[in-house]
Amino acid sequence: QKEVEQNSGPLSVPEGAIASLNCTYSDRGSQSFFWYRQYSGKSPELIMFIYSNGDKEDGRFTAQLNKASQYVSLLIRDSQPSDSATYLCAVNAGGYQKVTFGTGTKLQVIP
Amino acid sequence: DVKVTQSSRYLVKRTGEKVFLECVQDMDHENMFWYRQDPGLGLRLIYFSYDVKMKEKGDIPEGYSVSREKKERFSLILESASTNQTSMYLCASTRGTNTGELFFGEGSRLTVL
Repeated sequence: QKEVEQNSGPLSVPEGAIASLNCTYSDRGSQSFFWYRQYSGKSPELIMFIYSNGDKEDGRFTAQLNKASQYVSLLIRDSQPSDSATYLCAVNAGGYQKVTFGTGTKLQVIP
Repeated sequence: DVKVTQSSRYLVKRTGEKVFLECVQDMDHENMFWYRQDPGLGLRLIYFSYDVKMKEKGDIPEGYSVSREKKERFSLILESASTNQTSMYLCASTRGTNTGELFFGEGSRLTVL
């Protein structure tokens, strides 16, 4: 069974701080890694994807991938109350493989 | 703007009823998916389709069937609804070979009494 593990939280950070969200996965064959944001009562929305080891930055968001450690993370700089949501990590082996989701980490940004 | 539309946001059905959940996407995506989302269990894949008239079982297909007669439309069918199928159902679509860049519909919350 391929697994994707996330701490459920809630993770509370003050406004303006860096939020760090972590995810580990069990399948060493995994090739593609995704972060989705889900506001309460809404559907998930893709915010970042990363395919290679290292960092990928997009605005205030940075995705970090370490395949050797089977670890992917999402950093949110200058956190805003509007970033308060559940963040889902998703992994697949590439191509037409199914995506496996973690159960999500709830982030609360305190004004 | 890309769009995945699910026909019903909220449904209440009785045990044993047949339930149809419809999903339409306007992005000409090849791949379509049905997930259910439950607290503590996350998103679980029910069925998916890579092409018209093709379907593949996901992780939890029992009690469900699907239909894809047209590229833009993917239907989820509960032949005989049961209370343990009370859930949020999410349709999604993607283009091409990378099935991780999913566009989700708004979801259909089904309650089975």
